Amino acid sequence: SQQGEEDPQALSIQEGENATMNCSYKTSINNLQWYRQNSGRGLVHLILIRSNEREKHSGRLRVTLDTSKKSSSLLITASRAADTASYFCATDADKLIFGTGTRLQVFP
Amino acid sequence: EAGVTQSPTHLIKTRGQQATLRCSPISGHTSVYWYQQALGLGLQFLLWYDEGEERNRGNFPPRFSGRQFPNYSSELNVNALELEDSALYLCASSFYPGSTNEKLFFGSGTQLSVL
Repeated sequence: SQQGEEDPQALSIQEGENATMNCSYKTSINNLQWYRQNSGRGLVHLILIRSNEREKHSGRLRVTLDTSKKSSSLLITASRAADTASYFCATDADKLIFGTGTRLQVFP
Repeated sequence: EAGVTQSPTHLIKTRGQQATLRCSPISGHTSVYWYQQALGLGLQFLLWYDEGEERNRGNFPPRFSGRQFPNYSSELNVNALELEDSALYLCASSFYPGSTNEKLFFGSGTQLSVL
């Protein structure tokens, strides 16, 4: 069963707009990670946030974590067409478990 | 530095056959993970190898098996292939032995098609 569930399943925006994706999970975690997957390829690690952190930034990415609500959000600011991809959250239990992903389409 | 490499890129088999997928982790990484990604779905955890030992296994039947060699490369074997085994199989490696909690580096995957 999936530990993380991303929301929305799909998101379409224009270049320059911000994209927000949410992840909910079920059990307690040590950390939560976000990955990106370009069409049918391997995943690329974006950012890791630990359970004692509430917010983390990396370039145009901002991740928040609310352990009381068992949820996280990934914000991509000033999106570009090259950001078009699927985005997955991953949580650690006894193994790293990935959610179902959000498919982001950024139109030029 | 070479990334995680997987071979073959594509594999076509018929139902009932066996498939062998290979993975070479990043140099210095001792943990190897296998995931299955069926079309349009998320990643399903298959296997985790660390220092040559199977550390954890996902909810897959025994016909999915694998091993890790002394050089930390790994093989995933799928016996008695079924149509629903058609998927992208992703291998990942990690620098942190004994832990699933850290960043994974993924290969580009093997696309297995079962006809």
